[in-house]
Amino acid sequence: DAKTTQPPSMDCAEGRAANLPCNHSTISGNEYVYWYRQIHSQGPQYIIHGLKNNETNEMASLIITEDRKSSTLILPHATLRDTAVYYCIVRVNNDMRFGAGTRLTVKP
Amino acid sequence: DARVTQTPRHKVTEMGQEVTMRCQPILGHNTVFWYRQTMMQGLELLAYFRNRAPLDDSGMPKDRFSAEMPDATLATLKIQPSEPRDSAVYFCASGPEGLATYNEQFFGPGTRLTVL
Repeated sequence: DAKTTQPPSMDCAEGRAANLPCNHSTISGNEYVYWYRQIHSQGPQYIIHGLKNNETNEMASLIITEDRKSSTLILPHATLRDTAVYYCIVRVNNDMRFGAGTRLTVKP
Repeated sequence: DARVTQTPRHKVTEMGQEVTMRCQPILGHNTVFWYRQTMMQGLELLAYFRNRAPLDDSGMPKDRFSAEMPDATLATLKIQPSEPRDSAVYFCASGPEGLATYNEQFFGPGTRLTVL
């Protein structure tokens, strides 16, 4: 019972913004949207999370639609080191379920 | 630089043998998680602990898997007996609080297990 839907893969040119979409149409009012990424052979790494408002940190920005049914993770200036699998997760507690994610490839 | 550490990083064993994987959570974190990752199933949550007590291990095969936290600095995941289908990368993660919904999980580098 997948709670999020993401495209399986995306490409992005180095230096350009990478916009990764996520659909979570069945999200509940108290569920947060989290983004993690996993670089090859490493453990997942936290990127950002949000509930209703857009969020920004040193790594990325998170744009959540007003109805909260979808969100977009934005990497403003993608580098080759941003090549990874990006996971969008909705969670209300510590039970965090990873889907298949989006494999982002940043190309020179 | 606080990190979750896991040992061993790689383990090759034969079917039927006991396997023990260890995790040292970040000091001060009171929530510990075990995940398993395979190509077929992706990342699966096996179990998690808060303040050393198991909160949920519904994702773990009970007949052969066991998870414990002997103390606040050590979490273990044991497989006995191991089977080839247990071959996977096992990740440990820790978090600073058990109740807050907004806390991130910090993942270790994983233990790559191969059961022949």
